[in-house]
Amino acid sequence: RKEVEQDPGPFNVPEGATVAFNCTYSNSASQSFFWYRQDCRKEPKLLMSVYSSGNEDGRFTAQLNRASQYISLLIRDSKLSDSATYLCVVNIPGSGTYKYIFGTGTRLKVLA
Amino acid sequence: GAVVSQHPSWVICKSGTSVKIECRSLDFQATTMFWYRQFPKQSLMLMATSNEGSKATYEQGVEKDKFLINHASLTLSTLTVTSAHPEDSSFYICSTIAMASYGYTFGSGTRLTVV
Repeated sequence: RKEVEQDPGPFNVPEGATVAFNCTYSNSASQSFFWYRQDCRKEPKLLMSVYSSGNEDGRFTAQLNRASQYISLLIRDSKLSDSATYLCVVNIPGSGTYKYIFGTGTRLKVLA
Repeated sequence: GAVVSQHPSWVICKSGTSVKIECRSLDFQATTMFWYRQFPKQSLMLMATSNEGSKATYEQGVEKDKFLINHASLTLSTLTVTSAHPEDSSFYICSTIAMASYGYTFGSGTRLTVV
């Protein structure tokens, strides 16, 4: 099983739709989780951190399910500008330190 | 917010030459720098983790003699791709954690093309 897994998509949705992505992780000791957005040929940019209690930022909601070991990202009222690849990041404990592993990303296309 | 300056943005080099990529943290100290590589349509793959003043830790399958990492100061980390070959052509990105709540801060990336 991969350390971090995402459905690569693409998810093609119409403007105004609500879309959700999941990201599963294999290490139950992981403590930090993030969602990043990456536009083509650009560096990833932090979208939001994922807290145990879940968090919301405008149209975006992130949740953590520790029991099933996945995080989710919900986008409401999709805009054309939301088209991008969404990467989840999970920290994996190692010998004395953590390292951060990216999922393969889920590609979203919002259609007019 | 915290900024990591990465240079060059893109470079084209001949096979067999070496290329150095620099990442500088602006206005903050980066004790740890992560170096990633991203091939087209793939995710970012962690290559190595560098810590200021000590040897870098390389991920499995990454040749430490080919990808030389130096983190001599708290504001500068460099990755040198030695004897580059066409298969090394990729998008290289550095990243560090300025503050835990902000997650990673990324450099703008370097697109390397080896011809």
